Amino acid sequence: GIQVEQSPPDLILQEGANSTLRCNFSDSVNNLQWFHQNPWGQLINLFYIPSGTKQNGRLSATTVATERYSLLYISSSQTTDSGVYFCAVKRTGRRALTFGSGTRLQVQP
Amino acid sequence: EAGVAQSPRYKIIEKRQSVAFWCNPISGHATLYWYQQILGQGPKLLIQFQNNGVVDDSQLPKDRFSAERLKGVDSTLKIQPAKLEDSAVYLCASSFWTSGTLSYNEQFFGPGTRLTVL
Repeated sequence: GIQVEQSPPDLILQEGANSTLRCNFSDSVNNLQWFHQNPWGQLINLFYIPSGTKQNGRLSATTVATERYSLLYISSSQTTDSGVYFCAVKRTGRRALTFGSGTRLQVQP
Repeated sequence: EAGVAQSPRYKIIEKRQSVAFWCNPISGHATLYWYQQILGQGPKLLIQFQNNGVVDDSQLPKDRFSAERLKGVDSTLKIQPAKLEDSAVYLCASSFWTSGTLSYNEQFFGPGTRLTVL
């Protein structure tokens, strides 16, 4: 099956800092989503981005499908950004998402 | 618009007991998924329905897990009998449609049911 690798696995930031999270995948995809899992376990949709660039407030994401990677940028981080960030992809012709193992982010005040 | 609903939120049972989880997807979403998330890992697909038909249950441990979506709307996932290794969060997700490159592929998740098997 498709392999999804996320880096770094853990990240500690001071409030106000910027960060970049990376997601590499091993095959062609037609769906890529970024999620934030909050401390209560809820998966919150951040971006649906199989290709291109999108921005939403302090967050933005870029997927370069031909090179099989996606980046999630967090600017001016806040303590409420803490949690686990998951990248998930769906291969063309397949039916469900395959998740990476996540990046655990801790933003300290 | 209401999100994906799940119940119960928490469940604690003894091993070898039975348990059932319920999911109501976003209105109009034809595709429904059940995922299992073990602590420290990403969610993994158990079963996927398109309307009331199963389209992928290859990762479902069918000797103890079963799922149904009788009227093409809400769904029930059952474990009978439960084992210690079934302790996990069970997540339900839905999408409008899943086909080729259409943007209707985006999946939305419910709050999950945290199962502890003692």
